Amino acid sequence: RKEVEQDPGPFNVPEGATVAFNCTYSNSASQSFFWYRQDCRKEPKLLMSVYSSGNEDGRFTAQLNRASQYISLLIRDSKLSDSATYLCAVLTGGGNKLTFGTGTQLKVEL
Amino acid sequence: DAEITQSPRHKITETGRQVTLACHQTWNHNNMFWYRQDLGHGLRLIHYSYGVQDTNKGEVSDGYSVSRSNTEDLPLTLESAASSQTSVYFCASSEGGSARDEQFFGPGTRLTVL
Repeated sequence: RKEVEQDPGPFNVPEGATVAFNCTYSNSASQSFFWYRQDCRKEPKLLMSVYSSGNEDGRFTAQLNRASQYISLLIRDSKLSDSATYLCAVLTGGGNKLTFGTGTQLKVEL
Repeated sequence: DAEITQSPRHKITETGRQVTLACHQTWNHNNMFWYRQDLGHGLRLIHYSYGVQDTNKGEVSDGYSVSRSNTEDLPLTLESAASSQTSVYFCASSEGGSARDEQFFGPGTRLTVL
């Protein structure tokens, strides 16, 4: 089993839709969790850190479920500009090493 | 503005040649990382450093080496390039003070080994 797993998609959704992605992790000792956004042929950029209580930033909501070992990303009122690949990342053990999932591709259509 | 840069952005080389990819950050970050990204595998950690003179192996370190002689730079060397090392390489850095530190990524180097 991979340390961090994501559904690769693609998720094709109409503009204005709500879409959710999940990311499962295998190590129950994992400490910190992140969602990164990656546009085609570009570098990943941090979208949100995921806190134990869940957090919201505008149209984006991230949640952590430690019991079931997954994090989620909810995007409301999808925009064309949200089309990208969303990577989840998990920090495990000491130091600042991240393990990334393979990413979920989102395509928002007119 | 502080930034992280990589050079070259594109490189074509031949099997067996030694190749060095440069990474330079101006944030004065303690932590620096090298990843490769391949279809179906996502980002995989090659080597990382938590400070000057510190280097550590990541998940896919075979065939690669790094050195950290100053805070700003972490060059990645492919000792003898192989076709399996054709990939996109990303360098990243983070401050190092907290487990929640954001990793900032460079623009990437696209390497082709013929």
